[in-house]
Amino acid sequence: AQSVAQPEDQVNVAEGNPLTVKCTYSVSGNPYLFWYVQYPNRGLQFLLKYITGDNLVKGSYGFEAEFNKSQTSFHLKKPSALVSDSALYFCAVRGGSTLGRLYFGRGTQLTVWP
Amino acid sequence: SQTIHQWPATLVQPVGSPLSLECTVEGTSNPNLYWYRQAAGRGLQLLFYSVGIGQISSEVPQNLSASRPQDRQFILSSKKLLLSDSGFYLCAWSEDPAGAYEQYFGPGTRLTVT
Repeated sequence: AQSVAQPEDQVNVAEGNPLTVKCTYSVSGNPYLFWYVQYPNRGLQFLLKYITGDNLVKGSYGFEAEFNKSQTSFHLKKPSALVSDSALYFCAVRGGSTLGRLYFGRGTQLTVWP
Repeated sequence: SQTIHQWPATLVQPVGSPLSLECTVEGTSNPNLYWYRQAAGRGLQLLFYSVGIGQISSEVPQNLSASRPQDRQFILSSKKLLLSDSGFYLCAWSEDPAGAYEQYFGPGTRLTVT
């Protein structure tokens, strides 16, 4: 069965500090992994994805994510957090019988304080 | 470029009343279309997906239904709303049925059943 775990409901960091939002996954076959961000009362915005190739994926707004096959992880990172990065972040994995279906984690609320 | 629209943005309906939410996509053809529900600002629940006109698959049995009368139109309906139907409804589309492409989300509809 396909699943995604985001072990932290909340992550708090100071502006200017590096941030990490954790994600682990379980999937049969090769994983397609995605990160999305959601601002209040808005739809999800795509940040980045890993399909194949380089384990370090760069995405929008200075975010990047590192794919680690042995640890089945896909952590989201940013070297220097901004207050405007405060939002809800979702990790997702593609898999299952539904073509194109994404399995989402429960989300991690990121708060960056000034 | 592709855009996705949802309406209405907000809706307050009494228990037992009907529901119709609409989603349209512009700038692409034969997209995969998805309906999600997000409760309490957290995890997303896939409700329906469609790979073509008239082709609807349901992920969760409930009093909701979906239809795809045109290539780029996806409608979520109910004959009688329940209190538990309250939530944030998101429509999404993707290009590639193999799932390598990310899903793009609409702005969402906030439904409150009273």
